[in-house]
Amino acid sequence: DTAVSQTPKYLVTQMGNDKSIKCEQNLGHDTMYWYKQDSKKFLKIMFSYNNKELIINETVPNRFSPKSPDKAHLNLHINSLELGDSAVYFCASSQDFSGHGPQHFGDGTRLSIL
Amino acid sequence: DAKTTQPPSMDCAEGRAANLPCNHSTISGNEYVYWYRQIHSQGPQYIIHGLKNNETNEMASLIITEDRKSSTLILPHATLRDTAVYYCIVRVGYGGSQGNLIFGKGTKLSVKP
Repeated sequence: DTAVSQTPKYLVTQMGNDKSIKCEQNLGHDTMYWYKQDSKKFLKIMFSYNNKELIINETVPNRFSPKSPDKAHLNLHINSLELGDSAVYFCASSQDFSGHGPQHFGDGTRLSIL
Repeated sequence: DAKTTQPPSMDCAEGRAANLPCNHSTISGNEYVYWYRQIHSQGPQYIIHGLKNNETNEMASLIITEDRKSSTLILPHATLRDTAVYYCIVRVGYGGSQGNLIFGKGTKLSVKP
């Protein structure tokens, strides 16, 4: 069973398009996250949600809009895609927002902007 | 910025212990040491974490110095599948933005036959 699953795994699109990435976790966790890993392999947090509510927004452009329809899902919608958005996006989840427990990551969505 | 310093790369022979060092000289009393790894083309994987005492689980052991300014992750019998980038992260033990995982460059461990 895949604990944290993301779709699609690969996404190739053109500048200016709007796209969404979906994430689902079957661990019963309360907290979910989105991370971005750029070409230099730095992994940075973008957002975190706790029980469907936004907790952290780390200076991400407002073209990025996370949506959490329920606590098992956290989708990422990106408007007006730019070349700099090319990266690998990872979804993660943790038991709660207490900070003690580990985060479980999906295998990433590789976004390429042409 | 990451609060840890790790060597950029290390090699280890298959079957031998891999000892990965990490310096965190500015660690605060309420900050834990976490280790994650990222195998090529996969998401980061949690390995172990600790506050003061040494910790061991089925994957690895974590040795934290008494002054807590450095630690060592030990993979007792490295296999080829342990080849990955290993990240040492310090974070507070509670939520909020201060509890974020901040990934540095990590150590690329290559396990060789």
